[in-house]
Amino acid sequence: EVELVESGGDLVPPGGSLRLSCAASGFDFRNYGMNWVRQAPGKGLEWVSSIGGSGSTSLYGDSVKGRFTISRDNSKNTLYLQMNSLRAEDTGMYYCAKNRNVLTGPRADYWGRGTLVTVSS
Amino acid sequence: QSALTQPASVSGSPGQSITISCTGTSSDIGTFNFVSWFQHHPGKAPKLLIYDVSQRPPDVSDRFSGSKSGNTASLTISGLQADDEADYYCTSIIRGTPLGVFGGGTKLTV
Repeated sequence: EVELVESGGDLVPPGGSLRLSCAASGFDFRNYGMNWVRQAPGKGLEWVSSIGGSGSTSLYGDSVKGRFTISRDNSKNTLYLQMNSLRAEDTGMYYCAKNRNVLTGPRADYWGRGTLVTVSS
Repeated sequence: QSALTQPASVSGSPGQSITISCTGTSSDIGTFNFVSWFQHHPGKAPKLLIYDVSQRPPDVSDRFSGSKSGNTASLTISGLQADDEADYYCTSIIRGTPLGVFGGGTKLTV
């Protein structure tokens, strides 16, 4: 059974940094692209970033480009999101989502329950 | 403002059928057969219902179906059940935006 468990969410002041993790199990992690998707309070879903199975290709949304970095450790079956220069508008629930194949892009099938990031002074 | 437009809310009675639309342009839905639909019960993990416009994962009920006409994709839910009450999101690739975009979401009330 596919399981994705996010962690690392916290309250952080504007300009601060945070690293999110997503522990994956139940599938051959290295063979699937992975994504981060967020949802601001009372708002809809937003694709944040995507990474291919090998980790050599990645995509970013315009709102986080240059501030966030997606990475993965295939030996640990773990996906990461390093978030720097955080802003109030980055507040929200952050979901980890597995793709249907090794590629990047909006091909998600399984999702985690999310981890909450709050950016506030 | 989302690039894909969904109705904010729809409602139906148990046993009825409803359709949720997702309207884009010739730069996204009109060109790419890459529309997915997700169901999201607040506090839970979103669930994939439909991918590639009309393909249904093995674990999804055949009460859920997807289609596309021109620049508009649609999700139809037949035989509505109380547990179908949730938020529904469409997503697609947009030319020049390989990461993709979501619709604004539709709240279904049963």
